[in-house]
Amino acid sequence: QAVLTQPPSVSAAPGQKVTISCSGSSPNIGNNYVSWYQQFPGTAPKLLIYDNNKRPSGIPDRFSGSKSGTSATLGITGLQTGDEADYYCGTWDDSLSAGVFGGGTKLTVL
Amino acid sequence: EVQLVESGGGLVQPGGSLRLSCAASGFTFTIYWVTWVRQAPGKGLEWVANINQDGSEKYYVDSVKGRFTISRDNAKNSLYLQMNSLRAEDTAVYYCARALYTDGGLWGQGTLVTVSS
Repeated sequence: QAVLTQPPSVSAAPGQKVTISCSGSSPNIGNNYVSWYQQFPGTAPKLLIYDNNKRPSGIPDRFSGSKSGTSATLGITGLQTGDEADYYCGTWDDSLSAGVFGGGTKLTVL
Repeated sequence: EVQLVESGGGLVQPGGSLRLSCAASGFTFTIYWVTWVRQAPGKGLEWVANINQDGSEKYYVDSVKGRFTISRDNAKNSLYLQMNSLRAEDTAVYYCARALYTDGGLWGQGTLVTVSS
């Protein structure tokens, strides 16, 4: 069972907005920056968001991140069919002295 | 080209050993923390271990402590994962990644480890 909690799936229509939540606790999200990763089937994950809300170069501004307390949220606007993928949140856990991920959320663009 | 390339995966019997390698190229390997992340078939990502720039700090997930050892050779721009006493639940694609949580994050393509008799 993953340390960080994400919804197993979310869905929305093309052009719409979707949010994916990531819930943790003080030793992990509460004390550390959160990252988000996108993974298409059969491929390696790719960094989407780091430091809670920063985008690496090349990531469109349709993708955004936020954090409040012990929860984080990934937002995707202007949904495209090409956004269909699995999304994971991740951070460091000070109590475990280890990295932790959420269980992943499958995004379906209807 | 900036890349990480894993190798060393394969089929191994329970209780056996395997050594994974990750070759870095196209960037200054020595300035990055590097991490092993695994993904069991059809499952989510699991953080396994990481190591700092000079190898003096290493951290492991509880399930592999005492069985896996992470190391690096900066002269060879390489990261390693020595896996001993392998179990069926270690079956996964193993990815190496640099700068897992920061700008500059980069993942390899992964190598599959199958533990089965």
